[in-house]
Amino acid sequence: GAGVSQSPSNKVTEKGKDVELRCDPISGHTALYWYRQSLGQGLEFLIYFQGNSAPDKSGLPSDRFSAERTGGSVSTLTIQRTQQEDSAVYLCASSPQMSFGETQYFGPGTRLLVL
Amino acid sequence: GNSVTQMEGPVTLSEEAFLTINCTYTATGYPSLFWYVQYPGEGLQLLLKATKADDKGSNKGFEATYRKETTSFHLEKGSVQVSDSAVYFCALVYGQGGKLIFGQGTELSVKP
Repeated sequence: GAGVSQSPSNKVTEKGKDVELRCDPISGHTALYWYRQSLGQGLEFLIYFQGNSAPDKSGLPSDRFSAERTGGSVSTLTIQRTQQEDSAVYLCASSPQMSFGETQYFGPGTRLLVL
Repeated sequence: GNSVTQMEGPVTLSEEAFLTINCTYTATGYPSLFWYVQYPGEGLQLLLKATKADDKGSNKGFEATYRKETTSFHLEKGSVQVSDSAVYFCALVYGQGGKLIFGQGTELSVKP
């Protein structure tokens, strides 16, 4: 079946502009996660959604970052007033449910470059 | 807090050599442990996992055993191939699902 998809695959933007990154999880997966992969910080958790529960936003680095998940499926990560330090690969993952030891399946990522 | 520490890379080996990538963790309670792999130009994919102490995860000739007494989950393979060249990430999840906490990654390069 189809895996996790993300769009765009690459995004170049100017400092100060807003960007939206999209994630389509595997059909039927109730849990959705966002991570960031950067040279200086490695792989960092940003936010996750599980069903209708309130999302865990504990990894968001600043209030410029926000995410939503509509209809329990597609998710959008929004970065407002982008800064050069936001340049990274943004990864989305989904899992069938949020249970102990559940595997997370990753998308190919969106590579963001802020000039 | 919860954390994962991996041996630093890059690691360069000849084909058919034995591989060990060390991983230790700090966690309250009993996390689930994972190895993810990122091949050049590809996304992260699960290599193997273990959810309780003394469990051994295995896949594609790779193995790792969940050692609670040493808080370790070292990755091993008896005979590496050029196609194993990739970046390997050790990770943990604590409790009911939730966020993965990753180590810094170890780059492996296998030469023919």
